Order: sequence, then C-alpha cells, then structure tokens
Amino acid sequence: GQQVMQIPQYQHVQEGEDFTTYCNSSTTLSNIQWYKQRPGGHPVFLIQLVKSGEVKKQKRLTFQFGEAKKNSSLHITATQTTDVGTYFCAGPVNAGNMLTFGGGTRLMVKP
Amino acid sequence: EAGVAQSPRYKIIEKRQSVAFWCNPISGHATLYWYQQILGQGPKLLIQFQNNGVVDDSQLPKDRFSAERLKGVDSTLKIQPAKLEDSAVYLCASSLNRGGRAPDTQYFGPGTRLTVL
Repeated sequence: GQQVMQIPQYQHVQEGEDFTTYCNSSTTLSNIQWYKQRPGGHPVFLIQLVKSGEVKKQKRLTFQFGEAKKNSSLHITATQTTDVGTYFCAGPVNAGNMLTFGGGTRLMVKP
Repeated sequence: EAGVAQSPRYKIIEKRQSVAFWCNPISGHATLYWYQQILGQGPKLLIQFQNNGVVDDSQLPKDRFSAERLKGVDSTLKIQPAKLEDSAVYLCASSLNRGGRAPDTQYFGPGTRLTVL
C-alpha cells in the first residue's frame, strides 16, 4: 500500500488566500523532497529537508520537516495563479535512496 | 544545460502491441530513473540505473516490462505486450549521484504519454 500520504487531494483557493498541504510517512525518513508539477508538465524539484524540525523558506513558500521526521508540510502565503499545479512530497521510505512519492495535492487558484 | 530528453512525447497503441520509450539524461548524470505516473497519482518508480547497472527494479513488472542502459547514458524502456492498465505517462529522470546519504535532486524529462486502446 501507499507509504507516503498527502492531504488534501485537491484544494481550491481564492487568489490571495493561503494554502497548506501535508505529507505523512509510515516510516521515519532520513530526508524529504518536494516537487511541483504544473498541469501537463513534469515534476520540478523545489526543496529537500534533512534535519528534524527543519524549516526552509522560498519567497512565499514555507517547508517544514516534523520533529519525528515522519511528516512534512508546505505552506504557500497569499497564493497567486502561478502557484497552480500539483505538489508532491517524496522520501526514501525503503532501504536505499529510491524515492517514494505521495499522491500529491492539486492546487487550483481562482483569480 | 540541456535537460532530460524523452521520445516520443505521445504514443497510442492497441493492447497486446509492443512499445518502446527512449531517454537521454542530463550529461554527466550517473543515475537514471524510469517512473510510471497514472493520471491523478504520484510518480511510481519502475527502475533505477547507476551508470549501466540496475540499482532497483523491484516495482518493474518483469513479465512485460524491460529496460536497459547499455552504455551508461541513454536508456530504453519497453513494454511487450501492453495492457490497458499500462496507459500512463512514463517519466525519465536523472541525477548526479554525489554519493551522499541523501537522495540527489532528480531532474525529470517531459514524459511520454502512452494510451493503450
């Protein structure tokens, strides 16, 4: 079964509202990566988190790695139409460095 | 720097036919991945190569799927024979492989959208 879960699956927001997607793993992760996939496009790497409790920011995006290293979140402040897409988290759930991707959260922004 | 190249971009075949996809990774990237992404789902790793050796192919349906990376650069993924449930986007990705403990950043190609009728 799926070992990396993301919620929600879909999120509609009005432009300017905030957005958060949550990622949970069934096992402790050594690190977690986040990717963005625009409609019709391919996944593009956003960031990697390694340390317990780590918080990283990229302009309006804030990424957090949980203290137990089993969950992570991505928060977007004041969404814009350019934020539209599906956000995936991915981590090495099994032994080795192979990534297991979550199901993604599809963000839709109404102008 | 050129990105990961894939061809064809689209392919429509009938069930039980064969199909092959090609990938050219970013120059210098030792690691190459093939993913299957079914509509509405996250990418699922099928096989990972390190140079021309297989690192992991535990999720590759070996009765019908095969992949090779003979010279450690380009790779091909083949499906023979195709089934309806193979309809998906097949993504190729590559990474540097710095040899550290954490997975490297993966750079994805545009994908091949396969439709099996």
